[in-house]
Amino acid sequence: GAVVSQHPSWVICKSGTSVKIECRSLDFQATTMFWYRQFPKKSLMLMATSNEGSKATYEQGVEKDKFLINHASLTLSTLTVTSAHPEDSSFYICSAGSKGRSYEQYFGPGTRLTVT
Amino acid sequence: ILNVEQSPQSLHVQEGDSTNFTCSFPSSNFYALHWYRWETAKSPEALFVMTLNGDEKKKGRISATLNTKEGYSYLYIKGSQPEDSATYLCALGSSNTGKLIFGQGTTLQVKP
Repeated sequence: GAVVSQHPSWVICKSGTSVKIECRSLDFQATTMFWYRQFPKKSLMLMATSNEGSKATYEQGVEKDKFLINHASLTLSTLTVTSAHPEDSSFYICSAGSKGRSYEQYFGPGTRLTVT
Repeated sequence: ILNVEQSPQSLHVQEGDSTNFTCSFPSSNFYALHWYRWETAKSPEALFVMTLNGDEKKKGRISATLNTKEGYSYLYIKGSQPEDSATYLCALGSSNTGKLIFGQGTTLQVKP
């Protein structure tokens, strides 16, 4: 399968600061990337869909000004958690797909964010 | 709101046991059903993508079946090994957006 990396794998930040998480597809061009969040003992919840070169589509209840998503190239999408608060502490994971692989998504290893 | 349910939530088996889990989903407007294996500290790994009613897929000791009319899929592991210990996720795929809606997962622990 294809390889997707995520950086950083964990981060601790202070309340009020912003944190950027990168998601890279290493061996294929990802026309679409997805960002998920996992709450404790819950399923992966889709936050937004990011298409290369266009604005991200956010799921209901996800604040687009809070979670800024950029998909500037076919191999990189970033999620920036702005003015982070302790309730933003969570596990964030991205996946990447392409038109040529219409059914498949490949996941990164995730980022554990802790806001103090 | 689409709801994908997995059962059981967790499972402990002895090495060599065979086991199976269930994924239930709404049967209307079905497009695709995905199974992933997620080991701790690793990326979720795609196991199967199934699209047709009656599909059966196999990968080594792991196999899956799909019933789109009644809205369920089974994942089977034959002769479980400690390395099979992981969380197994199923997800419903959307045709026009590529979105996946995940179940909460079944965590399998295989004891040597």
